[in-house]
Amino acid sequence: GAVVSQHPSRVICKSGTSVKIECRSLDFQATTMFWYRQFPKKSLMLMATSNEGSKATYEQGVEKDKFLINHASLTLSTLTVTSAHPEDSSFYICSARDLGRSEQFFGPGTRLTVL
Amino acid sequence: GQNIDQPTEMTATEGAIVQINCTYQTSGFNGLFWYQQHAGEAPTFLSYNVLDGLEEKGRFSSFLSRSKGYSYLLLKELQMKDSASYLCAVRHSGAGSYQLTFGKGTKLSVIP
Repeated sequence: GAVVSQHPSRVICKSGTSVKIECRSLDFQATTMFWYRQFPKKSLMLMATSNEGSKATYEQGVEKDKFLINHASLTLSTLTVTSAHPEDSSFYICSARDLGRSEQFFGPGTRLTVL
Repeated sequence: GQNIDQPTEMTATEGAIVQINCTYQTSGFNGLFWYQQHAGEAPTFLSYNVLDGLEEKGRFSSFLSRSKGYSYLLLKELQMKDSASYLCAVRHSGAGSYQLTFGKGTKLSVIP
């Protein structure tokens, strides 16, 4: 149990385009989902916390107008990187929290490359 | 703010025991997690401590001392597949959602 999926696993896009990443909790309801970014050889950095049905809470330094987060249901959250630039190239990972469990469960990640 | 320190790299021999330390300073402490992350993959959960003491799970054990802001992950009977990064993460109350702050990870190399 407690499986989280992400789609796509890998995406390459041109500078200036927008990319949407989906995060789904497959066998549990996730009232809270988290979005992280990880640059090569660096740790995971929390970008935002997303609660179902409400606006996401962004960490300091993360532009909410650039990284649009939607958590429309208890099993789906989406991250849209708008007008992507090469410096946005990174490994984006979502996690979901099951109310009945202590740990967060991570999706497999999405590797974004912006040319 | 949150601050988490762990060694950058460690090397150990197959079949041996290795201890990875983690120290932290945080407000609103609500538990400490250890995750394993292989290169290019997402982290997988290993252990969780919220009270002082040792939690054992097969070949993996984790210890917590809240008064010292200290934890360690102990890996026994090391296998080659244990070569990975090990992330220490502290959970703290933030926006009511119990956010995790991760350390930079310890890259463990297991050699024959």
